[in-house]
Amino acid sequence: KNEVEQSPQNLTAQEGEFITINCSYSVGISALHWLQQHPGGGIVSLFMLSSGKKKHGRLIATINIQEKHSSLHITASHPRDSAVYICAVELYGQNFVFGPGTRLSVLP
Amino acid sequence: DTGVSQDPRHKITKRGQNVTFRCDPISEHNRLYWYRQTLGQGPEFLTYFQNEAQLEKSRLLSDRFSAERPKGSFSTLEIQRTEQGDSAMYLCASSLRSANYGYTFGSGTRLTVV
Repeated sequence: KNEVEQSPQNLTAQEGEFITINCSYSVGISALHWLQQHPGGGIVSLFMLSSGKKKHGRLIATINIQEKHSSLHITASHPRDSAVYICAVELYGQNFVFGPGTRLSVLP
Repeated sequence: DTGVSQDPRHKITKRGQNVTFRCDPISEHNRLYWYRQTLGQGPEFLTYFQNEAQLEKSRLLSDRFSAERPKGSFSTLEIQRTEQGDSAMYLCASSLRSANYGYTFGSGTRLTVV
């Protein structure tokens, strides 16, 4: 079992739909990151979470430390949201463990 | 293990010294990326290679930083005259052809400049 898992692996949505991407992890962490990567581009850090909920524009990220689970929500999705979304966890005093990514395609 | 490997996992160096990190990507991946992550921040893009060609460099990559991928396989990232602000996690990732095929990340090299 991988230490960080994401679901779904691939997601296709119609423009305007509400999207949820889930991340679960099995180890103790100091923080969790949601990353976005567009085709041919570098990684953009969307959120860093250690507790609770954060919101930035149409993006919302939540984390439940007790359940070792985080979700990334996109409201009113748009084709420009099409990207790979990666959940990455920081382990205490160690390096990162990245999830496999969720490939999102938003169709116009 | 056929994933992306980075070496060393940790490096402590004195200010002013040069350091070199190595990244071995997945063998069939022709794109290789370097990222840096400072404490409390998300990763930041530094540079990427397609085969042996360095196609893009971030403004974060000052003159003290140089990256090479001489044979289109492994890559090295060298930092000359290290400064305390260089302390960070240096992440490498590789992909096949483009991001549409997904990325595989290494576990990173944590650099501490004292």
